Amino acid sequence: DTGVSQDPRHKITKRGQNVTFRCDPISEHNRLYWYRQTLGQGPEFLTYFQNEAQLEKSRLLSDRFSAERPKGSFSTLEIQRTEQGDSAMYLCASSLLWTEETEAFFGQGTRLTVV
Amino acid sequence: DQQVKQNSPSLSVQEGRISILNCDYTNSMFDYFLWYKKYPAEGPTFLISISSIKDKNEDGRFTVFLNKSAKHLSLHIVPSQPGDSAVYFCAARNNDMRFGAGTRLTVKP
Repeated sequence: DTGVSQDPRHKITKRGQNVTFRCDPISEHNRLYWYRQTLGQGPEFLTYFQNEAQLEKSRLLSDRFSAERPKGSFSTLEIQRTEQGDSAMYLCASSLLWTEETEAFFGQGTRLTVV
Repeated sequence: DQQVKQNSPSLSVQEGRISILNCDYTNSMFDYFLWYKKYPAEGPTFLISISSIKDKNEDGRFTVFLNKSAKHLSLHIVPSQPGDSAVYFCAARNNDMRFGAGTRLTVKP
């Protein structure tokens, strides 16, 4: 399987704990994106990487959130001191550099529940 | 900042009829538009796209129309099939990709 994979698929954590999610993109893809999706909403952009460089961060990405892509391959998204409002589906996507007719491919997401 | 809007949260059509899903955007810098389909408990899957230099792109039963002056695009599915029932997201691309809130399409047999 050469698609985008995310781990874990589900995570339940107590408020105040730290969590870390992993995304493995399609191997030749330069770009990697993180989105958050809550019920009834579309994916909300969080951040994206081009190779190992983090090029843009949304205002949604508070100082409790940090993302890395140290070697330009897999990426991690860490949430510190989780809050109930962090409960959502966290989606990762990857793509080649934007050219004509380039689409992003999504993983199946990590569903976070903060109790 | 909702740069991409899908104002219809749901749409119900009869099998065999046309489904039309609409999307509006505000940022004139978007250069590429995409439609994704999403089933429960899965990530979005790419469906069809259109460049900002075109006004129509067709792929089988799916056609996307772009009206740049109105900053509006639409997805037509004809004929609609029950298996098309899903949530459809419109997305617009500049440096990153922004999504609308989605439209839940239900195709009734």
